[in-house]
Amino acid sequence: TQLLEQSPQFLSIQEGENLTVYCNSSSVFSSLQWYRQEPGEGPVLLVTVVTGGEVKKLKRLTFQFGDARKDSSLHITAAQPGDTGLYLCAGPPLVFGKGTKLTVNP
Amino acid sequence: GAVVSQHPSRVICKSGTSVKIECRSLDFQATTMFWYRQFPKQSLMLMATSNEGSKATYEQGVEKDKFLINHASLTLSTLTVTSAHPEDSSFYICSARDLGLASSYNEQFFGPGTRLTVL
Repeated sequence: TQLLEQSPQFLSIQEGENLTVYCNSSSVFSSLQWYRQEPGEGPVLLVTVVTGGEVKKLKRLTFQFGDARKDSSLHITAAQPGDTGLYLCAGPPLVFGKGTKLTVNP
Repeated sequence: GAVVSQHPSRVICKSGTSVKIECRSLDFQATTMFWYRQFPKQSLMLMATSNEGSKATYEQGVEKDKFLINHASLTLSTLTVTSAHPEDSSFYICSARDLGLASSYNEQFFGPGTRLTVL
């Protein structure tokens, strides 16, 4: 059974700080997706990483796929209150991590 | 593109009644849609895979007679919670894959969710 472990489970930081959240597995994934979910809404796709070692940037968010395609990280620079939400990683076919609940305090 | 809608967004019903939730892909065709359940402060739990024109595939532990799924067209799947009870209260989310996307890597596009409260 493929599992995705996300850490930390909860993270509360001040506006302007940097942070990194992790998504790890013992299995190799052909791709990984990152989603952000805000309270009372459905998850929104942020990015898909496909190639081992790949780095993708989305404004202040930097996503990296591990060389062995077993892990991924999300780094946020200068976090803002609008970044608050549940960050989920997911891999095919329908494997979701439990998420990292991020709170950015003004 | 790749917009998924859900209706209703919120529903409150009495115990014992049935509730239907609709999931629509607005600008693409989806032969497969997925239904999830999410409890407060928890991740998504896959309930079933809805296949257009055929029976849904349910995850272990999900009662197919209680959670009826119908996928009658390429843009619509419905989830009916039959004889709802307070323990069925949850946030239900559907998703779909846009098979028309050449670069699809199993990305799912989620609806906004339906908050069900059973009194």
